[in-house]
Amino acid sequence: GQQVMQIPQYQHVQEGEDFTTYCNSSTTLSNIQWYKQRPGGHPVFLIQLVKSGEVKKQKRLTFQFGEAKKNSSLHITATQTTDVGTYFCAGPWSQGGSEKLVFGKGTKLTVNP
Amino acid sequence: NAGVTQTPKFQVLKTGQSMTLQCAQDMNHEYMSWYRQDPGMGLRLIHYSVGAGITDQGEVPNGYNVSRSTTEDFPLRLLSAAPSQTSVYFCASSYSGGHVNTEAFFGQGTRLTVV
Repeated sequence: GQQVMQIPQYQHVQEGEDFTTYCNSSTTLSNIQWYKQRPGGHPVFLIQLVKSGEVKKQKRLTFQFGEAKKNSSLHITATQTTDVGTYFCAGPWSQGGSEKLVFGKGTKLTVNP
Repeated sequence: NAGVTQTPKFQVLKTGQSMTLQCAQDMNHEYMSWYRQDPGMGLRLIHYSVGAGITDQGEVPNGYNVSRSTTEDFPLRLLSAAPSQTSVYFCASSYSGGHVNTEAFFGQGTRLTVV
């Protein structure tokens, strides 16, 4: 079945340092989505990437979709304490004519002020 | 606009008890799903539905049943609770058009403990 692998599992940074999490799929994806979950909260949608090689920015966050549409990354520049949380990537996988959204295991980011 | 509403927020069950986790959305979304979240395991898909009357299994369906009689509701039933089902459960919905290509909206979660 489809697997969405995410690394690293944990990342601890000093405030102001950069942070990157990587997502790799065993199959080509039609799109990839990124979510953020604050401690004690629920996942919240950040962005969706659809095109090969696509790069999107949201303030200090930069999202990339690989040329082969099998990998993606999220980069945060100059982390702040508000960036704390777990970041998930998710991709669609087709099964028997229907699709399901499969999540990576997430990268938990902690930021030391 | 309430979005996705899950009840209850917390629940403690004894082994062998049954219960239903409720999930309702008011966005007319076709696609609804249930995930469980355990430390270090991410979000694992239990069951999902692409529309009323249609359900399918995800990665970890054993011990859980679902039904989708209306577009709005997607309850998750635990038939005989086991300690291994202690977890945080999230319901999610999205507009699909047959594809999971759009933003998923999550409920607040249900923290279930089975003793």
